[in-house]
Amino acid sequence: EDKVVQSPLSLVVHEGDTVTLNCSYEVTNFRSLLWYKQEKKAPTFLFMLTSSGIEKKSGRLSSILDKKELFSILNITATQTGDSAVYLCAVDSGAGSYQLTFGKGTKLSVIP
Amino acid sequence: DGGITQSPKYLFRKEGQNVTLSCEQNLNHDAMYWYRQDPGQGLRLIYYSQIVNDFQKGDIAEGYSVSREKKESFPLTVTSAQKNPTAFYLCASSIAGTGGYEQYFGPGTRLTVT
Repeated sequence: EDKVVQSPLSLVVHEGDTVTLNCSYEVTNFRSLLWYKQEKKAPTFLFMLTSSGIEKKSGRLSSILDKKELFSILNITATQTGDSAVYLCAVDSGAGSYQLTFGKGTKLSVIP
Repeated sequence: DGGITQSPKYLFRKEGQNVTLSCEQNLNHDAMYWYRQDPGQGLRLIYYSQIVNDFQKGDIAEGYSVSREKKESFPLTVTSAQKNPTAFYLCASSIAGTGGYEQYFGPGTRLTVT
């Protein structure tokens, strides 16, 4: 059974801190790993990672994949209160059709 | 504006009643998905459809049914056979059902069954 585990499950930081969110996976056929941000309702797409060691970056957010050790990290630098959300990691195991297996998410709270 | 719409936002039903959740997209995406999200849990796949008139069961399809008669629409029916239907339901779509593309999500429907 495919499995995606995120840690920590929740995190409280102060504005300006840097945070690292972790995602490890065990899947039969890895195709890609995706990160989403869920503030209240609809998850919004952040990154898709397919190759090891190549950092994806968008503003203060960045992510990298390690296919050998089967994990990814999402970094957020200089956090702001608007970064408060649940961050979801999902893996496309590519078993024929496109299906994502999601982790439980990391709830990030940024306090002023 | 292109996107995915779900209606209603909140839905209340009595036990034993079937209920249908709407999902419409105008992104011209071939593939559509239904997920269920429970508190403290990740998203779990209920059903997905890679193309019109075709759909497949996901991990937790029991007690649910879907149809895909039009490319834009993928309604989900929660039947009385679903033992624990109270949850947050998310619909998503992607360009194709073959992977390599992100899934775009709708705003969700929160269903409460009493």
